[in-house]
Amino acid sequence: QPVLTQSPSASASLGASVKLTCTLSSGHSSHAIAWHQQQPEKGPRYLMNLNSDGSHSKGDGIPDRFSGSSSGAERYLTISSLQSEDEADYYCQTWDTGINMVFGGGTKLTVL
Amino acid sequence: EVQLVDTGGGLVQPGGSLRLSCSASGFIFTSYAMHWVRQAPGKGLEYVSGISINGGSTYYADSVRGRFTISRDNSKSTVYLQMSSLRVEDTAVYYCVKDHSGGTYFDYWGQGTLVTVSS
Repeated sequence: QPVLTQSPSASASLGASVKLTCTLSSGHSSHAIAWHQQQPEKGPRYLMNLNSDGSHSKGDGIPDRFSGSSSGAERYLTISSLQSEDEADYYCQTWDTGINMVFGGGTKLTVL
Repeated sequence: EVQLVDTGGGLVQPGGSLRLSCSASGFIFTSYAMHWVRQAPGKGLEYVSGISINGGSTYYADSVRGRFTISRDNSKSTVYLQMSSLRVEDTAVYYCVKDHSGGTYFDYWGQGTLVTVSS
């Protein structure tokens, strides 16, 4: 089954942009993924799904500041014009045949 | 508006049982697979279990297979997670999650319900 790798932490300044990475394991570079956000003390929220060609569709009410892109086995989440409420944990998720659901370890984003 | 309301969590002793419920609204429940995902304190997200549209197919993580049972009542738009032989390591917030389509990604999450397994 696929494995998703994320950096444990990232940081960027208020108003700046940040690009988070989720890497698919060997042999699974064509997989689509989804990004989820979890703000402190809250449940997760779906942000977007992201295909291998970079096409993506966002969830309800997700601001335009959030976008996705892809390159090979890498899937990216870019957040522009960072706001304090963007400080959160970000998880990528993928799936395989037979309802084989996988999460990355998550990236904790700090807004400075 | 899609809503998933998770209930049933609580404190239970090791070896005990608990049943979680997830009441869904705002979408055609019978058209979507449903899942449970958990998060242990201070840890990441872990997939627990899933159930197909008609309940005919179920899926479990290795860590809970044989101890947990997922089911759904389409007449009540509700999905359940029956947990037995609970272990300390099952302590977590449990989230009900809606499948986008055909066992792909999750597009809506419940608010979660805390299960604490402790003596």
